[in-house]
Amino acid sequence: DTAVSQTPKYLVTQMGNDKSIKCEQNLGHDTMYWYKQDSKKFLKIMFSYNNKELIINETVPNRFSPKSPDKAHLNLHINSLELGDSAVYFCASSLLLNEQFFGPGTRLTVL
Amino acid sequence: GQSLEQPSEVTAVEGAIVQINCTYQTSGFYGLSWYQQHDGGAPTFLSYNALDGLEETGRFSSFLSRSDSYGYLLLQELQMKDSASYFCAVRAPNNNAGNMLTFGGGTRLMVKP
Repeated sequence: DTAVSQTPKYLVTQMGNDKSIKCEQNLGHDTMYWYKQDSKKFLKIMFSYNNKELIINETVPNRFSPKSPDKAHLNLHINSLELGDSAVYFCASSLLLNEQFFGPGTRLTVL
Repeated sequence: GQSLEQPSEVTAVEGAIVQINCTYQTSGFYGLSWYQQHDGGAPTFLSYNALDGLEETGRFSSFLSRSDSYGYLLLQELQMKDSASYFCAVRAPNNNAGNMLTFGGGTRLMVKP
């Protein structure tokens, strides 16, 4: 009965590699998000999709590309990983913008 | 752009009352949300204020003053399990389209016996 799920939970990889994180929600929400939380716990929006359409792209490098095959899924692909990409990435979904439901997070470590 | 300020850390004892303040500067404003995040966990929604005043939900209350660009989260009868980080988040217009949440840096609450 998981509401928002992400895979993998942990991701350890070398600089320069390409990796993907998957997100799925079974809440029937129209809007999904990707957030990045750095080591100081600062939580910042990266992307937002509404009904598979990109509506927010907050100055994220082109190496990050979100893909939404349907409104229940929002995946994040990252090319040419850099050390600074190490963080926890949270997927979220919402019916109302102010009440967002977060997934468990994916801890990405770039070596 | 949007900026939010909240204290980085607050310590209180079990059973006490604690108030976590949040001040914000935004271009446009729709409302203020609060989220709780335990270590290693995901943020979870606590409350949302669009209008001035106090909203109460059990032991937690949230207050907003739009004229002062200020809000707070009040936690009563503190329990050990309340030890977590608390984030305020402003709902405001963004540059692209629609609106979005911008989060503050979070306040780490430590509850001691």
